[in-house]
Amino acid sequence: DTGVSQDPRHKITKRGQNVTFRCDPISEHNRLYWYRQTLGQGPEFLTYFQNEAQLEKSRLLSDRFSAERPKGSFSTLEIQRTEQGDSAMYLCASSVPGQGRGAYGYTFGSGTRLTVV
Amino acid sequence: DQQVKQNSPSLSVQEGRISILNCDYTNSMFDYFLWYKKYPAEGPTFLISISSIKDKNEDGRFTVFLNKSAKHLSLHIVPSQPGDSAVYFCAASDSGGSNYKLTFGKGTLLTVNP
Repeated sequence: DTGVSQDPRHKITKRGQNVTFRCDPISEHNRLYWYRQTLGQGPEFLTYFQNEAQLEKSRLLSDRFSAERPKGSFSTLEIQRTEQGDSAMYLCASSVPGQGRGAYGYTFGSGTRLTVV
Repeated sequence: DQQVKQNSPSLSVQEGRISILNCDYTNSMFDYFLWYKKYPAEGPTFLISISSIKDKNEDGRFTVFLNKSAKHLSLHIVPSQPGDSAVYFCAASDSGGSNYKLTFGKGTLLTVNP
């Protein structure tokens, strides 16, 4: 399978715990994105990597959130001291260089559903 | 502030008929628009896109229309099939930046009845 892979698919954690999600993009895609989707909403941009460089972070990404993409391959998203408001689907996507449909036509993973209890 | 609005949370059509999904935007800087389709427990899948220099783009049964003056776009599916039943997201981008990030609407649940 050469799609975008996310792990785990589901995570239930207690408030105050730390969680880490992993995303493996399509190998030839150098752009990697994290989005968050809450119930009844569309995906919201969190952060963007081009290769290993994190080039933009949304104001939604508080200090409790950190994302990395070492060596420009897989990426991790860590949430420290989780809160109930962090409960959401966390989506990873990757895309190719260039413009137009290729750059915008992201390939999304199936997401990690986080539930904070 | 919702910059991309999909005002119809749901739409139900009969198989074989046309499905029309609508989307409005407020940010004049948006110049590239996309539709994504999402099945339950899966990530969104890219469907079709249109640049602001065009007013129509067609791909098989799917056509997207863009009315820049009205800041409105629509997705037409003809003929509709039961397998088209999914949530459809409208998304937009300002290509002035180089990050290609997207702003999504809340989605419209399309149900195609056999």
